[in-house]
Amino acid sequence: NAGVTQTPKFRVLKTGQSMTLLCAQDMNHEYMYWYRQDPGMGLRLIHYSVGEGTTAKGEVPDGYNVSRLKKQNFLLGLESAAPSQTSVYFCASSPGLAGADTQYFGPGTRLTVL
Amino acid sequence: QKEVEQDPGPLSVPEGAIVSLNCTYSNSAFQYFMWYRQYSRKGPELLMYTYSSGNKEDGRFTAQVDKSSKYISLFIRDSQPSDSATYLCAMRGSNFGNEKLTFGTGTRLTIIP
Repeated sequence: NAGVTQTPKFRVLKTGQSMTLLCAQDMNHEYMYWYRQDPGMGLRLIHYSVGEGTTAKGEVPDGYNVSRLKKQNFLLGLESAAPSQTSVYFCASSPGLAGADTQYFGPGTRLTVL
Repeated sequence: QKEVEQDPGPLSVPEGAIVSLNCTYSNSAFQYFMWYRQYSRKGPELLMYTYSSGNKEDGRFTAQVDKSSKYISLFIRDSQPSDSATYLCAMRGSNFGNEKLTFGTGTRLTIIP
């Protein structure tokens, strides 16, 4: 089992460019999450999904879009990157409501927007 | 005011010491409390999980929840250099729709050999 994997691991963008971060999990989990982690701010939820084909907004959704077309994948898109989106992005998955507290995290993607 | 407050540290203690990490929260609806451990440049991993008030012990780790004071703690006994990491508290309510966790900002801990 690879667990939760994230692609890419690092990326540098210029302001206004777009990109997609890919998260994949092989644990057949229902729930998937995208967080950003910034110094002094902790983990903040961007968007999440409670099942294939569903998405919902988290605490800081502006400037991001997501899609969950397949159960195992959760994509995070930045349509027009801004320097404020420089952060470390973590994807996580969990089995479902009863096990939602055990979130399994990926290794993170370090994104810099110039 | 943040829903969950956590002292960011950094906290440095000698090997073998007892470590106390704490979080306070303001939302009385929180029922489930967790501690995640995050090593440098890695994703967080679940360390301890407790429901409502009380204590839970797992090896060298003890989690305490005091709902009356809205205060949770993680104690590490006989601390080891391998315990050096950032510790994040997390919590949520008990109703459906509470799939989301609210995290503290994390406390960076260094155990000095």
